[in-house]
Amino acid sequence: AQKVTQAQTEISVVEKEDVTLDCVYETRDTTYYLFWYKQPPSGELVFLIRRNSFDEQNEISGRYSWNFQKSTSSFNFTITASQVVDSAVYFCALSEKNAGNNRKLIWGLGTSLAVNP
Amino acid sequence: DTGVSQNPRHKITKRGQNVTFRCDPISEHNRLYWYRQTLGQGPEFLTYFQNEAQLEKSRLLSDRFSAERPKGSFSTLEIQRTEQGDSAMYLCASSPSGFSLEDNEQFFGPGTRLTVL
Repeated sequence: AQKVTQAQTEISVVEKEDVTLDCVYETRDTTYYLFWYKQPPSGELVFLIRRNSFDEQNEISGRYSWNFQKSTSSFNFTITASQVVDSAVYFCALSEKNAGNNRKLIWGLGTSLAVNP
Repeated sequence: DTGVSQNPRHKITKRGQNVTFRCDPISEHNRLYWYRQTLGQGPEFLTYFQNEAQLEKSRLLSDRFSAERPKGSFSTLEIQRTEQGDSAMYLCASSPSGFSLEDNEQFFGPGTRLTVL
């Protein structure tokens, strides 16, 4: 069965600290996609990144970086020099590409990040 | 910039009443998804359309729930005989189809928050 585990329920940091959000996934498929979404207090899910299972290159986008390790089935997300505006719930999700049809996303329970001034 | 829109944003109803929500996806997207999210949880998949065809339904979608996408554009989700357990945020997302990496990104609407009294 497919599963996404975000072991950290809540994290609280002080502004300018670096913070890493963990994501571990389970899947039997060789072709799959991993995602991170941000859900600020307003409620709307905002796409952050997508990574396919054949691309293990780490990615950096401004203060955000992602570390994909197939050997440990992890796709961790790091925010460098955190800011108050980063406060949100962050979700990791898994999608399997099946016979050319992308279907549903399997979501973790989310990590609530509070960045305090 | 026209994203995914959902109406209404909030709905309060009494137990036993029927409710209907509408989702307007991004115009060139032919895939449409419905999710349900309760407090402290990640989104749970409900159903998925490719154009007007409903290709997958979750077991969460009891016979009180029905979704349609009659012309392959907007979609409606109806809940009949609402129960208090139906109280949740109902999220709609859309994505393009095809075989490129871009297929898999789902764009979410702001959601409809349902409260059943």
